[in-house]
Amino acid sequence: KAGVTQTPRYLIKTRGQQVTLSCSPISGHRSVSWYQQTPGQGLQFLFEYFSETQRNKGNFPGRFSGRQFSNSRSEMNVSTLELGDSALYLCASSPPNYEQYFGPGTRLTVT
Amino acid sequence: DQQVKQNSPSLSVQEGRISILNCDYTNSMFDYFLWYKKYPAEGPTFLISISSIKDKNEDGRFTVFLNKSAKHLSLHIVPSQPGDSAVYFCAASGGKDDMRFGAGTRLTVKP
Repeated sequence: KAGVTQTPRYLIKTRGQQVTLSCSPISGHRSVSWYQQTPGQGLQFLFEYFSETQRNKGNFPGRFSGRQFSNSRSEMNVSTLELGDSALYLCASSPPNYEQYFGPGTRLTVT
Repeated sequence: DQQVKQNSPSLSVQEGRISILNCDYTNSMFDYFLWYKKYPAEGPTFLISISSIKDKNEDGRFTVFLNKSAKHLSLHIVPSQPGDSAVYFCAASGGKDDMRFGAGTRLTVKP
């Protein structure tokens, strides 16, 4: 079974731009969660989607948004990028239990 | 491919006893390892870490052991408390790849 895939793996953007990251969950998984990983803050929860609906949301500004499609694929968008948005963005998909299968992440660098 | 594996999906221990959560990895380039704790509907929170130059790191009731030759790490919680009941993820990073996570182990501590 293929794992969680995230595209692109690496991205460089400048301040003020916007970015869209993509996550394809494991086949059959309907829940997709997004996390931001930074050296200083560790792993922080962004949001979770289930059946195209946002089910949970972390404490991030409205510049961070997401959506989920009918095939469970999910996208995360960050508008008006700031230097502090530079991080590894991780996506995880879940079957109907507690397990989370993480993707390799997208490394975003904002200059 | 699962480069980080937590082979026990669940673990149940009695309050006051030791909880031992295990994690195996395959990539010899990993040189930094972390444990996260996750409650339902919340994102994972950082618990404890260890770099590959050490074989043990202790923080209060939590100790992480690293056996590099066996590519194995474990988290010991002593004594276990009901509030420790959660899902525990191990993660590894190093080399050209960013962080990889295990699928999690659900720990239940019974009063």
